[in-house]
Amino acid sequence: AQSVAQPEDQVNVAEGNPLTVKCTYSVSGNPYLFWYVQYPNRGLQFLLKYITGDNLVKGSYGFEAEFNKSQTSFHLKKPSALVSDSALYFCAVSSMFSGGYNKLIFGAGTRLAVHP
Amino acid sequence: DGGITQSPKYLFRKEGQNVTLSCEQNLNHDAMYWYRQDPGQGLRLIYYSQIVNDFQKGDIAEGYSVSREKKESFPLTVTSAQKNPTAFYLCASSPGTGNEQYFGPGTRLTVT
Repeated sequence: AQSVAQPEDQVNVAEGNPLTVKCTYSVSGNPYLFWYVQYPNRGLQFLLKYITGDNLVKGSYGFEAEFNKSQTSFHLKKPSALVSDSALYFCAVSSMFSGGYNKLIFGAGTRLAVHP
Repeated sequence: DGGITQSPKYLFRKEGQNVTLSCEQNLNHDAMYWYRQDPGQGLRLIYYSQIVNDFQKGDIAEGYSVSREKKESFPLTVTSAQKNPTAFYLCASSPGTGNEQYFGPGTRLTVT
């Protein structure tokens, strides 16, 4: 079955420290991978995506993610966390064999809490 | 959230009533989507449309219906057949295959 796993329900990090939010996926074919962020009672905001090319992709607000094909992972990272980064983060994947590239499969989300 | 509007932000209905959620976009996107979000479950796809006058069921279409008569509009009706309709509903649009989706601000539906 096609799926996305975000193994941590919550990640806690001190302001100024690096952060990582983990994502692994299981799809057939070449994946398109996305990260979104959601603030309370709001819609999702797009952060970054991997389609092809360089495995390290840079996105909005200083976030980046690394595509690792052998480990089927796409972890979200930021070198120095801000309190304002505290939010709910979703990883999503699409592929030709998971309903088509138009259809995203979302992980359950990881809540990031950055403490002052 | 820019370019996609959902109304109302909060909606309350009595059990047994149908209710329609509005979604409008001015991004000239071909594809539009409806998701349901429940705590701890991420987003689940209800319906999607890749072109006007065409739409497909997602993973949890039972108890829902949609129409796509205009490119800009993709309303979702939650029918009385939906057993657990209370949820946060998100609409999204995308310019095409492989592109990121842009989300509206959501409608929180409470059915009592």
